[in-house]
Amino acid sequence: DTAVSQTPKYLVTQMGNDKSIKCEQNLGHDTMYWYKQDSKKFLKIMFSYNNKELIINETVPNRFSPKSPDKAHLNLHINSLELGDSAVYFCASSQDGWGRQGSREQYFGPGTRLTVT
Amino acid sequence: AQSVTQLGSHVSVSEGALVLLRCNYSSSVPPYLFWYVQYPNQGLQLLLKYTSAATLVKGINGFEAEFKKSETSFHLTKPSAHMSDAAEYFCAVSEGGFGNEKLTFGTGTRLTIIP
Repeated sequence: DTAVSQTPKYLVTQMGNDKSIKCEQNLGHDTMYWYKQDSKKFLKIMFSYNNKELIINETVPNRFSPKSPDKAHLNLHINSLELGDSAVYFCASSQDGWGRQGSREQYFGPGTRLTVT
Repeated sequence: AQSVTQLGSHVSVSEGALVLLRCNYSSSVPPYLFWYVQYPNQGLQLLLKYTSAATLVKGINGFEAEFKKSETSFHLTKPSAHMSDAAEYFCAVSEGGFGNEKLTFGTGTRLTIIP
């Protein structure tokens, strides 16, 4: 049973297009995240949502718009795609960790490889 | 802000040899530290985590890591490397509070196993 799933796994598109990536988690977690992994494998957080509310927005261009229709889903919509948006995008989720020993780990999806041509 | 530094972007070891991947952290508060592994074309899988319960942490696949506050280190080790250990390894620190947590990753270490 997949814990964090993403669709699509691969996405090839042209500059200027608009595309969406979907993420779903069946772990019952409260917080979901989007991370970007660049060509050098560097991972950086983009957004986090807690119970459908945007918590973290790490100076991501406003062409990127996350949407959380419910606690189990966090989608990423990207407008006017640019070459520099080519990367692997990972969705992750975690249970609220404050005050709970052993929590805070994040569970990652398989990633979506976005190629902008 | 908290950060982690991984020394060595590439590490090669012979099959059966000791694996040592280095991670140093910078944190003004007791950190939550993690090691994740990424196999080719896959997502990140949690290997182990340090949450102040014990300084020596055992993870999956025979890996373990020791938290050393005096050295601000959290190095990952495995006594005997296996071919299946070839992957990218990431050290990460968790920062932020309730509902505001995020992982800050190191730059990763690619582990190659020599037959």
